[in-house]
Amino acid sequence: DAGVTQSPTHLIKTRGQHVTLRCSPISGHKSVSWYQQVLGQGPQFIFQYYEKEERGRGNFPDRFSARQFPNYSSELNVNALLLGDSALYLCASSPGGPGEKLFFGSGTQLSVL
Amino acid sequence: DAKTTQPPSMDCAEGRAANLPCNHSTISGNEYVYWYRQIHSQGPQYIIHGLKNNETNEMASLIITEDRKSSTLILPHATLRDTAVYYCIVRVGGTYKYIFGTGTRLKVLA
Repeated sequence: DAGVTQSPTHLIKTRGQHVTLRCSPISGHKSVSWYQQVLGQGPQFIFQYYEKEERGRGNFPDRFSARQFPNYSSELNVNALLLGDSALYLCASSPGGPGEKLFFGSGTQLSVL
Repeated sequence: DAKTTQPPSMDCAEGRAANLPCNHSTISGNEYVYWYRQIHSQGPQYIIHGLKNNETNEMASLIITEDRKSSTLILPHATLRDTAVYYCIVRVGGTYKYIFGTGTRLKVLA
């Protein structure tokens, strides 16, 4: 079975641009979470979606938004990119409901120049 | 939200047990402790989790102190492939919000 897949794997943008990152969860998983990992630090929680509804949001500005589609895939959008948005963006899926472990993808490495 | 504190790095000889400590002194009663590890350029991989009791699975054992303010992850027979950053994480009960710390970089030596 395929694991969590994220695209693209690497991306280079310039300040002020917009970016869309994509995530396909493991088949049968209904929940998707997004994390940002800056070099040398642990991942930071951005969003969690379950059954297409936002169920949690971390301490990130409104430039960050996300959505989940009927097939449970998800997009993370970041507007007006800043240099500080350069990071590894991780998507994680789980079957659904609290108390379950997360399965992480390999991430999208975003570089903002 | 609870936070975790881990030593930044540890070494362990191959074949020996690796004991990774974690302090979570502000943990609440409904918050679970999870352990994940991250090998360079990959996403974090689940290892084990617990609430109050000690837990064991095919990868590791988790020892949680009675007051729940600290825990220890034990890899019984470390191999070179266990070299990774290990994160002790508190998950706020009933949510998917995982609070990662900076992790412990474990190096298994041949």
